[in-house]
Amino acid sequence: GENVEQHPSTLSVQEGDSAVIKCTYSDSASNYFPWYKQELGKRPQLIIDIRSNVGEKKDQRIAVTLNKTAKHFSLHITETQPEDSAVYFCAAISHNAGKSTFGDGTTLTVKP
Amino acid sequence: DSGVTQTPKHLITATGQRVTLRCSPRSGDLSVYWYQQSLDQGLQFLIQYYNGEERAKGNILERFSAQQFPDLHSELNLSSLELGDSALYFCASSGTGETQYFGPGTRLLVL
Repeated sequence: GENVEQHPSTLSVQEGDSAVIKCTYSDSASNYFPWYKQELGKRPQLIIDIRSNVGEKKDQRIAVTLNKTAKHFSLHITETQPEDSAVYFCAAISHNAGKSTFGDGTTLTVKP
Repeated sequence: DSGVTQTPKHLITATGQRVTLRCSPRSGDLSVYWYQQSLDQGLQFLIQYYNGEERAKGNILERFSAQQFPDLHSELNLSSLELGDSALYFCASSGTGETQYFGPGTRLLVL
């Protein structure tokens, strides 16, 4: 089955610095890669996603890159703010097979 | 608010018991997904339903079962509960696209 590895498990940065979280997946049938932000005790919320026919996508301070050949994708957050502190999950989804596999999450702490 | 609703918000029960968690998807969404999130853990995909039919199965225990009704709401049934089943259970829904929208979750505590 699909396996998604996410690194690092914890990340601490100073306010204003950039943060990068990386994920690798195993199933070449995966064609959709969302990133979710989860604050303590709350629901995961979609922050950005990318489909397998695109290499990069950006939304203000957040960007995602995808390397299909290497089967890895990354989340980049620039100019981090304390409110960016949360757990971030990547996922690899095979829409045709209906299978969703999430990474184990990265706890991001942004220090003021 | 994602438009996905889950009831109850909290559930406390004893080992060996059976509970039912309910999920109502966003209006028009045909797909419903169930996930388990244990303390400080990731999201474990349990099962997906599409328009009333089971579409994909993840790491769902045999003690757990789910169904999706004609009005598209879904229920997750957990039986013979064990201490280790204590977790947050999330439901998500999606429409014609792949994006999954999560509900607020049901926090289950098994004592």
